[in-house]
Amino acid sequence: DGGITQSPKYLFRKEGQNVTLSCEQNLNHDAMYWYRQDPGQGLRLIYYSQIVNDFQKGDIAEGYSVSREKKESFPLTVTSAQKNPTAFYLCASSNLGSYEQYFGPGTRLTVT
Amino acid sequence: GQQLNQSPQSMFIQEGEDVSMNCTSSSIFNTWLWYKQEPGEGPVLLIALYKAGELTSNGRLTAQFGITRKDSFLNISASIPSDVGIYFCAGNNAGNMLTFGGGTRLMVKP
Repeated sequence: DGGITQSPKYLFRKEGQNVTLSCEQNLNHDAMYWYRQDPGQGLRLIYYSQIVNDFQKGDIAEGYSVSREKKESFPLTVTSAQKNPTAFYLCASSNLGSYEQYFGPGTRLTVT
Repeated sequence: GQQLNQSPQSMFIQEGEDVSMNCTSSSIFNTWLWYKQEPGEGPVLLIALYKAGELTSNGRLTAQFGITRKDSFLNISASIPSDVGIYFCAGNNAGNMLTFGGGTRLMVKP
């Protein structure tokens, strides 16, 4: 079955700790994206990558970092510099040039 | 930045009723997408629209790309309890990036 997996589903961390969220896809998509969703709100773009070893900042990149060493993987690190890290994080992928993005199941991060 | 305004923000309807929601922008968009998100899950793509005036159906769902290219509409006919969720519109007008609306929360009373 092709799809996007995110792990873990729920993640708890203490303030001041960095945490890495996993995103893997086997759809052979070139482009991958990370979004943040807060309660009752739409999705905001954190980072995106259109090709291996390259990525671009989205609208709210501060306090986050990413890497794209493999086509199928696009991990997101939430650093201690992110002031309000508690949120629902969604990973998506698409074919290059396509606007149709397909989403993973999300990771709910809670930082206390 | 660009904004997509969705209305209504929430709807509480009786099973069997038809539903209409829309998404508007002050900017022109080249593509409109509609997604459904269930609680605790990622959004699922329902319909993609690529041309002004285009009308596309997916089962009981019908979406239209407004002729001004600044709006889109989603209709659900004969709603059922499993239609419950948040419906998001998303638009593209440059590169591969999508701008998302704030969502319409649909609740269906059996």
